[in-house]
Amino acid sequence: KAGVTQTPRYLIKTRGQQVTLSCSPISGHRSVSWYQQTPGQGLQFLFEYFSETQRNKGNFPGRFSGRQFSNSRSEMNVSTLELGDSALYLCVSSLATHNEQFFGPGTRLTVL
Amino acid sequence: KNEVEQSPQNLTAQEGEFITINCSYSVGISALHWLQQHPGGGIVSLFMLSSGKKKHGRLIATINIQEKHSSLHITASHPRDSAVYICAAYNTDKLIFGTGTRLQVFP
Repeated sequence: KAGVTQTPRYLIKTRGQQVTLSCSPISGHRSVSWYQQTPGQGLQFLFEYFSETQRNKGNFPGRFSGRQFSNSRSEMNVSTLELGDSALYLCVSSLATHNEQFFGPGTRLTVL
Repeated sequence: KNEVEQSPQNLTAQEGEFITINCSYSVGISALHWLQQHPGGGIVSLFMLSSGKKKHGRLIATINIQEKHSSLHITASHPRDSAVYICAAYNTDKLIFGTGTRLQVFP
């Protein structure tokens, strides 16, 4: 069974640009969550999607958005990039709420 | 005060030593995860616990729901165990992470 995949794995952007990250959960998993990992703040929750609906959102500005498609694949978008957006973005999939969480390899975003 | 606290923040050990990492949480949880992250690497889930104790190889995880405390033990530690260990509490559809414990095991 294939694991959680994230694309791209590495990305370099400049301030002011926008970026879209993609996550394909494990087949059959309907819940996809996104987390940001930075050296200063550690791992922080961005949002969670279940069956195409955003169920929960973390404390991030509106520049961070996401969506989930009918095949459970998810994308997150960050507009008007800032230097502080440089981070590892992790996608986590699970069968349903409160089930075991499976982590993707992450997308490392560098904003110059 | 963080909702999920880990101790110690850093830990060094000699190969073969018994290691304990502690995690305390102040929120209601449905499960607690122990995660491992090697330098520059991704995150791997080691255990998901909602009660009692789980064992996998040299790793043992326990949780005391009443005391809101969990521990991760590594028996007969090895240099390949060197990594950051993170506990994460599953609360209202999201994970709340501890700050991690950086473990270095020397031969």
